[in-house]
Amino acid sequence: NAGVMQNPRHLVRRRGQEARLRCSPMKGHSHVYWYRQLPEEGLKFMVYLQKENIIDESGMPKERFSAEFPKEGPSILRIQQVVRGDSAAYFCASSQPGHPETGELFFGEGSRLTVL
Amino acid sequence: RKEVEQDPGPFNVPEGATVAFNCTYSNSASQSFFWYRQDCRKEPKLLMSVYSSGNEDGRFTAQLNRASQYISLLIRDSKLSDSATYLCVVNFNTGGFKTIFGAGTRLFVKA
Repeated sequence: NAGVMQNPRHLVRRRGQEARLRCSPMKGHSHVYWYRQLPEEGLKFMVYLQKENIIDESGMPKERFSAEFPKEGPSILRIQQVVRGDSAAYFCASSQPGHPETGELFFGEGSRLTVL
Repeated sequence: RKEVEQDPGPFNVPEGATVAFNCTYSNSASQSFFWYRQDCRKEPKLLMSVYSSGNEDGRFTAQLNRASQYISLLIRDSKLSDSATYLCVVNFNTGGFKTIFGAGTRLFVKA
């Protein structure tokens, strides 16, 4: 059973371009979380989604960032008009229904975005 | 004030030492608590849940003090392989459950 799959693992973009990061949760998981981690810093919550529904996006920057988790296909984190400060590791995690009481988030290996 | 605060360390300890990490959280409505481990440039992985009664898993002991809003992790007989960043994690319900990570405490265990 594959774990949480993120792609691309590494992405290089020039300032002003768009970045699309994809996340396929573990089989049977219906909740997806996106976190951002800057170098030498902790994980910052961005958004929590269920299929076709954004539950909590309080950690998302107001502009340029959007996330979706469609009925079919992976969750996508989209960053428009990227700037150098967007360079970071973006981690996706998934959980079963019944989380967070049951606790565990399963993380993908992350997508590392570098903005030139 | 940050929602979850940890001493960033680093903690440098010799093999065999006992080391303790603390974590405080600001939201009294927080409902569940965990410690995760993150190795350098890797994804975080669940180390253990933290229960009000305290719980132990081998060399690791976790404690929760709801009145003081802090969580602790004790590692006994440290191994070189324990070197990592330890993340304190708190879940709370803000109308949709949110899982908040502390910035992490770095541990280096040396031979």
